[in-house]
Parts: sequence; C-alpha cells; structure tokens
Amino acid sequence: AQKVTQAQTEISVVEKEDVTLDCVYETRDTTYYLFWYKQPPSGELVFLIRRNSFDEQNEISGRYSWNFQKSTSSFNFTITASQVVDSAVYFCALSEANFGNEKLTFGTGTRLTIIP
Amino acid sequence: EPEVTQTPSHQVTQMGQEVILRCVPISNHLYFYWYRQILGQKVEFLVSFYNNEISEKSEIFDDQFSVERPDGSNFTLKIRSTKLEDSAMYFCASGGRTGNYEQFFGPGTRLTVL
Repeated sequence: AQKVTQAQTEISVVEKEDVTLDCVYETRDTTYYLFWYKQPPSGELVFLIRRNSFDEQNEISGRYSWNFQKSTSSFNFTITASQVVDSAVYFCALSEANFGNEKLTFGTGTRLTIIP
Repeated sequence: EPEVTQTPSHQVTQMGQEVILRCVPISNHLYFYWYRQILGQKVEFLVSFYNNEISEKSEIFDDQFSVERPDGSNFTLKIRSTKLEDSAMYFCASGGRTGNYEQFFGPGTRLTVL
C-alpha cells in the first residue's frame, strides 16, 4: 500500500526567509509519480509539480525548488525568499503506475504561514 | 485553457436527503475521479472511473455513493442518504491519456449536511 507522510503540521516563518516542506513516501512500485499541490484559503487545489520515479534531478521554478531523493524516499519542497502569498496548506501526493486508475494518495498537508 | 468545472460550489442539505454533485471534466479526458476533504484534513480518494465503469473505489465509497457519466460530458457523484459525516469538500478530477499521470482538479463543492 502507498503512503505519504508530511510530518510538519504547521510552519511559520517571517517573510523573505527560506522554508522547506518535508515529504516522505512509501510504495512497492518501482514506477510512480510524486506531486505537490498548494491549497490557498479559497480552497482550490493548485498543481505545482509532478516528478516521475526515474527522474531524480532537482527542479527549480522561480522561488520554488524540489529535492527528490529515492534513497531516502523523500520529495522535499523549498520556497526561497518566502512571500505572504505563499501562505497556504501544501500537500504532497503519490500515484503508482496503474494504468486506468492513477489515483492520488495525499499526505496530511503542511500549513505554511508567512508572517509579514 | 480548458478546466474542470463543478456545480454547485456550495450545497446545504438535511441529513437523510439525496444529493448529486456535478462535474464537467475536460472534454477529451478519459479518466475521472472524485476525492473528498473533510475540513482541516487531507484529501482522500473516493473513486476512479474509466471506460464507463468504476476502476477502483476506496472503503469510504460505500453503497450510499454512486457515480455516473450520464451524457458523455457530465460526471456526477450521488449520495443517497446523507449523513452528518458526509460534510466535506468534494473535488472532481480528470486525466488524459493513460500513463499521463496528470490530474486536473475542479474548484470543489462544499457539502454541508445539517
């Protein structure tokens, strides 16, 4: 069975600080996908990134970066120079390779508060 | 840019009543999903639907729940007799070709059962 653990329930940082959100996953599959979603106070789920299990290169997109390490089953998310608009709940999710049913298993989320 | 839409945005119902939540997936997508998020908790998978049948359902998706794609464009979730614990945000998602592993989520329907 697949599982995603986000041990940090809540994080608060002062604006412009860097912050890293942790994600650890469990799966028996060798092929899988990892995701990060942002859920702002308005409630919608905003897709941030998808990474497949064969691509361990770190990725950077503006102030966002992701560190995928298969050896530790982790897919951590770093926001550099945080801004108040980054305040949200962030979910890490996993999808196993099961054609026709690519359901997502979500972690419990990390509530990030950026203090002005 | 195509998007998944859901109606209504908020539904209030009395316990024991039937509700139907509606979703319009992206038009050329083949895979459809419903997820649930109880307030303050994680997003949980309910059911996946492909080729006009259920691919997988979670233990949450009991006999009170059903899904349908009645007209080739809408994708509905029906709860036959709502309970207080059904109060949650319900998200619809759709995905394209197999192996794509990308799901587009709708904005959600907040269901409140009184």
